[in-house]
Amino acid sequence: DAGITQSPRYKITETGRQVTLMCHQTWSHSYMFWYRQDLGHGLRLIYYSAAADITDKGEVPDGYVVSRSKTENFPLTLESATRSQTSVYFCASSDPSDRDRKYNEQFFGPGTRLTVL
Amino acid sequence: KNQVEQSPQSLIILEGKNCTLQCNYTVSPFSNLRWYKQDTGRGPVSLTIMTFSENTKSNGRYTATLDADTKQSSLHITASQLSDSASYICVVVLYGQNFVFGPGTRLSVLP
Repeated sequence: DAGITQSPRYKITETGRQVTLMCHQTWSHSYMFWYRQDLGHGLRLIYYSAAADITDKGEVPDGYVVSRSKTENFPLTLESATRSQTSVYFCASSDPSDRDRKYNEQFFGPGTRLTVL
Repeated sequence: KNQVEQSPQSLIILEGKNCTLQCNYTVSPFSNLRWYKQDTGRGPVSLTIMTFSENTKSNGRYTATLDADTKQSSLHITASQLSDSASYICVVVLYGQNFVFGPGTRLSVLP
């Protein structure tokens, strides 16, 4: 059971380039999330998706684009990368089924460390 | 101002010792409060989950407490091990999937 995976694990890019971070989950969870983690800050929500073809903005969506054509994939694209987008990006998934509804547990991927030069 | 604050920012203890990490929050009402452990280079993993009405929850050597009146939570680690070296993140879940993360406490356990 692979769970939730992210690729690449590390990425270095230059200002102005387009970058896509991939997230794949094998649980068929309905919800998927993208967070960024910066020193001194808690994880901050960029975008989330409640189901295929349904996405919504989180706390810090500017400069990012998401899509969700399939339940298992939730790519995050930086259309024109900036230095301020240097961060560690985490994807997460959850499924508010009857069993988990009380706690809505989110399961996190291993993260992608992105450096924008 | 962060809605969830944690202290200390970092902590160094010797193996076998106990320690307590603090979390203060301003968000209210909330559905539940969680503590996550994040190993270096990994994603966060849930340790404990407490609903608004619970005031303590244990998971092995980890014990979390919640005081809803003072809006404080703590995570107590007993008989620390080298593998406890990690960041510990306090999370307040407002409703549904709305998670508010604290900045974390970095714990180092030395032999």
